[in-house]
Amino acid sequence: GENVEQHPSTLSVQEGDSAVIKCTYSDSASNYFPWYKQELGKGPQLIIDIRSNVGEKKDQRIAVTLNKTAKHFSLHITETQPEDSAVYFCAASTTSGTYKYIFGTGTRLKVLA
Amino acid sequence: GAGVSQTPSNKVTEKGKYVELRCDPISGHTALYWYRQSLGQGPEFLIYFQGTGAADDSGLPNDRFFAVRPEGSVSTLKIQRTERGDSAVYLCASSPGLRSGANVLTFGAGSRLTVL
Repeated sequence: GENVEQHPSTLSVQEGDSAVIKCTYSDSASNYFPWYKQELGKGPQLIIDIRSNVGEKKDQRIAVTLNKTAKHFSLHITETQPEDSAVYFCAASTTSGTYKYIFGTGTRLKVLA
Repeated sequence: GAGVSQTPSNKVTEKGKYVELRCDPISGHTALYWYRQSLGQGPEFLIYFQGTGAADDSGLPNDRFFAVRPEGSVSTLKIQRTERGDSAVYLCASSPGLRSGANVLTFGAGSRLTVL
């Protein structure tokens, strides 16, 4: 079955610096890749997603890149702010069938003021 | 409602007891998912409903776990003879179903289950 690996498990950056989180997936049929942010005591919230027909997508300070050949996708956060501190999860899914997500194990991001 | 609502937010029970966790999805969303999140881990898929029927229950760990969605809206996750290993946050998510954006899941805040 599908497996999603996520690195690093923890990441500390200085405020204003960039943060990069990387994921790899195993199922070549996966074609939808969302990223979720989870704050303490809350459910995961979608922050950006990318479909397999696109190599990069950007939304203000957040961008996601996808390399289908290598089965890699990454989250890039620029000009980090303290409120970016949270746990980030990548996921892989297909746009058919059950659409169930396979999540990575999460990255705890700490932005130091 | 405006978001996915889950109750209770916290549930403490004793080993061997029965528990029910409720999920109220976004109005109009036909697809509903249950996930389980253990401490320090990503959410793990349990079961998916399209309308009233369980279209995929491959993630349920054993027959102590069961979920229903009798009217295609609210869903209840039921756990019999709870074990300490069942302690986790149970997340519910919904999506528009078979329409555009069907695979964009919106999650609730979760129900934290602690089995003593």
